[in-house]
Amino acid sequence: QSALTQPASVSGSPGQSITISCTGTSSDIGAYNYVSWYRHYPGEAPQLMIYEVTNRVSGVSNRFSGSKSGNTASLTISGLQAEDEADYFCSSYTNNKVIFGGGTKLTV
Amino acid sequence: EWQLVESGGGLVQPGGSLRLSCAASGFTFTCCWMSWVRQAPGKGLEWVANINQDGSEDYYVDSVKGRFTISRDKAKNALFLQMNSLRVEDTAVYYCARDRTYYYGSGTYSPTYGMDVWGHGTTVTVSS
Repeated sequence: QSALTQPASVSGSPGQSITISCTGTSSDIGAYNYVSWYRHYPGEAPQLMIYEVTNRVSGVSNRFSGSKSGNTASLTISGLQAEDEADYFCSSYTNNKVIFGGGTKLTV
Repeated sequence: EWQLVESGGGLVQPGGSLRLSCAASGFTFTCCWMSWVRQAPGKGLEWVANINQDGSEDYYVDSVKGRFTISRDKAKNALFLQMNSLRVEDTAVYYCARDRTYYYGSGTYSPTYGMDVWGHGTTVTVSS
């Protein structure tokens, strides 16, 4: 099973909005609503931000939102803040497995 | 406070074995599916295996099938990963993670495959 495809990097200025895409296939993202998004600061434990495509974890800012269209999921971060600078990973369920994207480095 | 603490990592030669442990606290351990996820140096996250709430189901990424075994002990609130026939490409930080699992009553659990509690990881290095 191949990894999901994410852009290697995205950047934005404070206050702006950015979107990170996560492209899979009709066997994973396209087939199930089990897409999750994680924020990962290097050297720390990853943090679940979004699960089941659109559900925001309690305590996560409403500046973070998830969506899906066909085989592509997206994470949108509005009102960018310096603390948002991190690596972001998407994941999806498929055929009794979980696959991750390669990760996107967000620079603010 | 929900907490997961991994241990058992280290340096091992190719072909060797290691057993990772993950101690859970602050939540009812039998609530949830659990996973092991790894991150090789300079690489992204890779899901390794998961196990359901009572240990009756387990699944693996193809690259570790037949070599790794995930298990759990509800009396010890612990998750394990037995790793045999280790390869250089297994070198990574290994994280233990809890699945955000729904419970519908009458013994029916449903994973969301979103991992909402993570440990800080234990490092496994496979090298001669």
